[in-house]
Amino acid sequence: AQSVAQPEDQVNVAEGNPLTVKCTYSVSGNPYLFWYVQYPNRGLQFLLKYITGDNLVKGSYGFEAEFNKSQTSFHLKKPSALVSDSALYFCAVRGSGGSYIPTFGRGTSLIVHP
Amino acid sequence: GAVVSQHPSRVICKSGTSVKIECRSLDFQATTMFWYRQFPKKSLMLMATSNEGSKATYEQGVEKDKFLINHASLTLSTLTVTSAHPEDSSFYICSARGGGGLTNEQFFGPGTRLTVL
Repeated sequence: AQSVAQPEDQVNVAEGNPLTVKCTYSVSGNPYLFWYVQYPNRGLQFLLKYITGDNLVKGSYGFEAEFNKSQTSFHLKKPSALVSDSALYFCAVRGSGGSYIPTFGRGTSLIVHP
Repeated sequence: GAVVSQHPSRVICKSGTSVKIECRSLDFQATTMFWYRQFPKKSLMLMATSNEGSKATYEQGVEKDKFLINHASLTLSTLTVTSAHPEDSSFYICSARGGGGLTNEQFFGPGTRLTVL
């Protein structure tokens, strides 16, 4: 079975500071990892994905994520947070050896304070 | 990126009526579509997965007769909430994935807010 954990329900950060939203996973086979962002009353938007290759993946809006195989993690990062980054962030995983249906984490609310 | 639309964006109905929500992939062919329900405390619950031309696969605990899903074409899937009750009030989101690759990301619709009075 595949699973995703987003251990933080909420992350607070001051504008201009770096931010990290954590995600760890468990899958069969190679992991395919995704991050999505959801703004209020909207659907989810794709941010970035890791399939293979460089462990550091760059995505939309200045976000990046680092794949760490030994720690089974795929944390989302941004060097300098903006107030407009405040939203709900979802990590998702699918395994090459398991279900083709991705599993989503429970979501992390990111609040960036001015 | 690819665009997925949902209609309506918001619907209010009386208890006992049926509501249909449409999900369309506008610029790609969606071989697989997913329907989610999002609860107030934000978690996404996968309701069902549908492949074009096939019957939907429902997740455990989701009533097939209550939530009818049709994926008649590569660009359209519909979710019908039959005999809706207040407890069905929620935010319903569809997503679509093109091709059969495991590496393809999903594209999400903007969601439909259903309120059953």
